[in-house]
Amino acid sequence: DSGVTQTPKHLITATGQRVTLRCSPRSGDLSVYWYQQSLDQGLQFLIQYYNGEERAKGNILERFSAQQFPDLHSELNLSSLELGDSALYFCASSVGGAAANTGELFFGEGSRLTVL
Amino acid sequence: ILNVEQSPQSLHVQEGDSTNFTCSFPSSNFYALHWYRWETAKSPEALFVMTLNGDEKKKGRISATLNTKEGYSYLYIKGSQPEDSATYLCASRSYNFNKFYFGSGTKLNVKP
Repeated sequence: DSGVTQTPKHLITATGQRVTLRCSPRSGDLSVYWYQQSLDQGLQFLIQYYNGEERAKGNILERFSAQQFPDLHSELNLSSLELGDSALYFCASSVGGAAANTGELFFGEGSRLTVL
Repeated sequence: ILNVEQSPQSLHVQEGDSTNFTCSFPSSNFYALHWYRWETAKSPEALFVMTLNGDEKKKGRISATLNTKEGYSYLYIKGSQPEDSATYLCASRSYNFNKFYFGSGTKLNVKP
């Protein structure tokens, strides 16, 4: 158990809809990362938050947005869903910040989104 | 975007064989190189984090080396066992700490 909790584990929805994926980081971790894994693809970095602020953006579509709340949990919002958005979405947390010498990521079990 | 590349894409070996994979990454703005082990139906778990040129890390039968000047890292598994079957991911962390870019992984299958 990595200590990172993601909900829901599975989600099936229709094109055009909007969903919210939730992530609770490990206790004490300030950084949250979101990754997307589509079929036969590697982990694509979407976005990172540190202590409530956006710190880095990767290949995140404009239809997607995220935020990190004061209690450090994070939500990834996916809107106007398309078939191609079907993927496994991982959240990972780390201590974060300049003091994080190792900075290894601890991954949740992922949220599998299926868009029909 | 950091282009992190791993080879081979997949590998099939017999139990007892030793094997190695390669991860290449841009050497500019490099901060750290991570290796993760990802078993089917589970989430990736960290194996090693390396930062210094020439770093070598070892955990049981698995070891890794790092060359930051030429931008590559090797992961070695000595005497592969069926339980080593997994996808091995490397990730390069940029100097501003925040961006972790993963390679597409090497899928290892160890046959008993």
